[in-house]
This record gives sequence, structure tokens and C-alpha cells, in this order.
Amino acid sequence: LAKTTQPISMDSYEGQEVNITCSHNNIATNDYITWYQQFPSQGPRFIIQGYKTKVTNEVASLFIPADRKSSTLSLPRVSLSDTAVYYCLVGDGFNFNKFYFGSGTKLNVKP
Amino acid sequence: DTEVTQTPKHLVMGMTNKKSLKCEQHMGHRAMYWYKQKAKKPPELMFVYSYEKLSINESVPSRFSPECPNSSLLNLHLHALQPEDSALYLCASSQGLGPRAGELFFGEGSRLTVL
Repeated sequence: LAKTTQPISMDSYEGQEVNITCSHNNIATNDYITWYQQFPSQGPRFIIQGYKTKVTNEVASLFIPADRKSSTLSLPRVSLSDTAVYYCLVGDGFNFNKFYFGSGTKLNVKP
Repeated sequence: DTEVTQTPKHLVMGMTNKKSLKCEQHMGHRAMYWYKQKAKKPPELMFVYSYEKLSINESVPSRFSPECPNSSLLNLHLHALQPEDSALYLCASSQGLGPRAGELFFGEGSRLTVL
């Protein structure tokens, strides 16, 4: 069972780049790493997914080292509206549809 | 249509009541999920349906009964719940199965309060 570890909280200021790291030491060979954003009383929203190296989309980048034991979500130039909880998600390595959320990182963006 | 719709948004029920939560998606996704989320905690996996068949039950108490009438609908039947079952219940769907299926589309959730 892949378990993920994230910092509980992070603070940032508007306009800064934020990097949130997730540790998943036991990730299975065929598992992808997915990141979600969640606002209070809303469902999580997909941000980005990757398997190895670097993935970039219009809102974030995801960096995955060669050993895949961790991943880093990079949010460029955050704004107040990026204040949310960010979760990394991996599978359990055996059952393809069993996905577990990490404890999440509460990002506080200050003006 | 890239939405997962959950109804009702809020539900208050007594411990002897029977109620149901409903989830609907029209994206042609073949896997659907129920998660439970307590305040300030991450979502916890409850059930997974793949191709309309229950494939994962995370040892959820029998007072929660899932049902998948067709590929677009997912229900969660509730009976004899306890106050500690009060939580946000999230439905999700994914296009496929396997490792890449990790791109889950979530609904806004149903906030359940058990008195």
C-alpha cells in the first residue's frame, strides 16, 4: 500500500512560486501520481498527473525524480484564490482503481 | 458535459431513517467511486464500481449500501446511521481503469448530518 506524506501547511505571498512536495516511498512501478486541489465544502479538483520526469499544464508543473519516491507540485505566481488544500494521490499498487489521498497540504496565500 | 452531479447537497436524518444519496455523470466513465470526508481530513475511499459492478468495498459498515443502476448513476443507500457518520460524501468517476484512471472527476458532495 503506497502511503503519501505531505507537509501539513505552507504559507506564501501573492506572486510567488510555491512548491509542495509529496513523499511516496512505496509507489508501485505502474502507478501514476496525481494532484488535486480542494476548497472548503467542495469536491477535489484535478490539477495534474504524471509518471516520471516533468509534466506541465496551464496551471502547474509536476516534477518526479528518477526514483519516483517523491513528487513536487509547482504553482507559479500564486494568487489569493489558490488558498486551498492540495492532495497528492497514488494507487495501492495492486488494485487499479484503489486510490488513496495523502493528508493534504493547506496552502495559505497572503496578500 | 464534464460534471458529476450529486443530490441532495445537504441531508439531515435521524438514526432510524432510510435515505439515499444520488450521483450522476454523463461522461461515459466506466468507474465510479464513493468517498467519505470528515472535517479537516482527507477523503477516505468507501466503494468503487467498475463497469457497473462493485469491485472495491473498503470494509464499510453494512448500514451503507451502494448501488449502480446503470453506467451513469451511482446511489448510496443509508440506513440506521450513527452521528459519527456525519460527513461530506463525495462521488467521483474516472474514464478508465488501471493506473491512468487516477484522473478522478468529483462532484460537489452531499453534506450529511445524522442526529
